[in-house]
Amino acid sequence: AQSVTQPDIHITVSEGASLELRCNYSYGATPYLFWYVQSPGQGLQLLLKYFSGDTLVQGIKGFEAEFKRSQSSFNLRKPSVHWSDAAEYFCAVGRNDYKLSFGAGTTVTVRA
Amino acid sequence: GAVVSQHPSRVICKSGTSVKIECRSLDFQATTMFWYRQFPKQSLMLMATSNEGSKATYEQGVEKDKFLINHASLTLSTLTVTSAHPEDSSFYICSAHEGAGAEQYFGPGTRLTVT
Repeated sequence: AQSVTQPDIHITVSEGASLELRCNYSYGATPYLFWYVQSPGQGLQLLLKYFSGDTLVQGIKGFEAEFKRSQSSFNLRKPSVHWSDAAEYFCAVGRNDYKLSFGAGTTVTVRA
Repeated sequence: GAVVSQHPSRVICKSGTSVKIECRSLDFQATTMFWYRQFPKQSLMLMATSNEGSKATYEQGVEKDKFLINHASLTLSTLTVTSAHPEDSSFYICSAHEGAGAEQYFGPGTRLTVT
């Protein structure tokens, strides 16, 4: 069975500083990997996805993620955080049957 | 493109009543829809997979008689919480898959409060 670990429950970052959110997965086959963002009381918005090819993936809102097979990781980064980036971030791994398994999420707080 | 809506966005019901939540894919046909449940400050937990024209597949521990799912068309799936109790209060989110690739498109969620 697949699983997703997001080691950081809560991260606080200053506006303008860089942000990195960690994600490790366990899955026997080639995974489909996703990062989603959720604002309070809202649904999920897809930031980026990795299916195959270039291991550095660019997403929306200035986010990028790098797939490292050797480390079973898919970490999310943003060079300069904006106050509007404060939200909950979920990493997810997709299987061949299209089901998704989500990590526990990382709450990002942005301080002025 | 790829917009998924849910209705209602919020619902409050009394214990013992049933509540229906609709999930619609607005601009594509969804061969598969998924229903998730999310408790406060927790992750999404897959409840069931809904395929158009066939019975839903429930995840382990999810009561199929409690959470009735109907996927009558390629653009609509409904989740009915039967005989709701306060412990069913949660945020319910649906997603839709159009049959190509692995991406799911998520609805905005429905906040259910059972009093």
